[in-house]
Amino acid sequence: GAGVSQSPSNKVTEKGKDVELRCDPISGHTALYWYRQSLGQGLEFLIYFQGNSAPDKSGLPSDRFSAERTGGSVSTLTIQRTQQEDSAVYLCASSPLGGGAQYFGPGTRLLVL
Amino acid sequence: AQSVAQPEDQVNVAEGNPLTVKCTYSVSGNPYLFWYVQYPNRGLQFLLKYITGDNLVKGSYGFEAEFNKSQTSFHLKKPSALVSDSALYFCAVRDVNYGGSQGNLIFGKGTKLSVKP
Repeated sequence: GAGVSQSPSNKVTEKGKDVELRCDPISGHTALYWYRQSLGQGLEFLIYFQGNSAPDKSGLPSDRFSAERTGGSVSTLTIQRTQQEDSAVYLCASSPLGGGAQYFGPGTRLLVL
Repeated sequence: AQSVAQPEDQVNVAEGNPLTVKCTYSVSGNPYLFWYVQYPNRGLQFLLKYITGDNLVKGSYGFEAEFNKSQTSFHLKKPSALVSDSALYFCAVRDVNYGGSQGNLIFGKGTKLSVKP
């Protein structure tokens, strides 16, 4: 079956611009996660959705970052007024009801110039 | 606080030899433990997990991992390495008492495995 998909695969933007990153989870998966992977920083948790609500936003690095999920499916991560330190690979994952493994998408590589 | 340590930045192994990639964890409650692999310019792929039951867990591509509660370790192993196993390996943990069955994962920094012919 189809896995987690993310778009765009690559995004180059100028400092100060807003960007939107999209994640389509595996159909039927109730939980959705956003992580950020930076060179030398490993994988950093950003936010977690259960259905359309976000019980854990603790990883969002600043108020420039926000995310929403609609219809228990697609999620959008928005970064406002991008900064160079936002450059990273943004990974989305989903997992079914009952938890267990998370299944990751290919990521969006963001470069802020 | 939850944490994961992968003490080796890189592991070098000759093809055909056994490999071990080390992982230790710290959680306040019972752990869910995972291994993921990342090939160049690819997303993370799930390899195996420990939730409960047998301490030796078998996963994809011939990999296995052993949960050791007393040593708080979950080392990844393979009896005979292949060149195609060369990739970045991540250990991850979820504290069942903190995140339940669907909380976020805490990842180690990753270990680069290099298998030479």
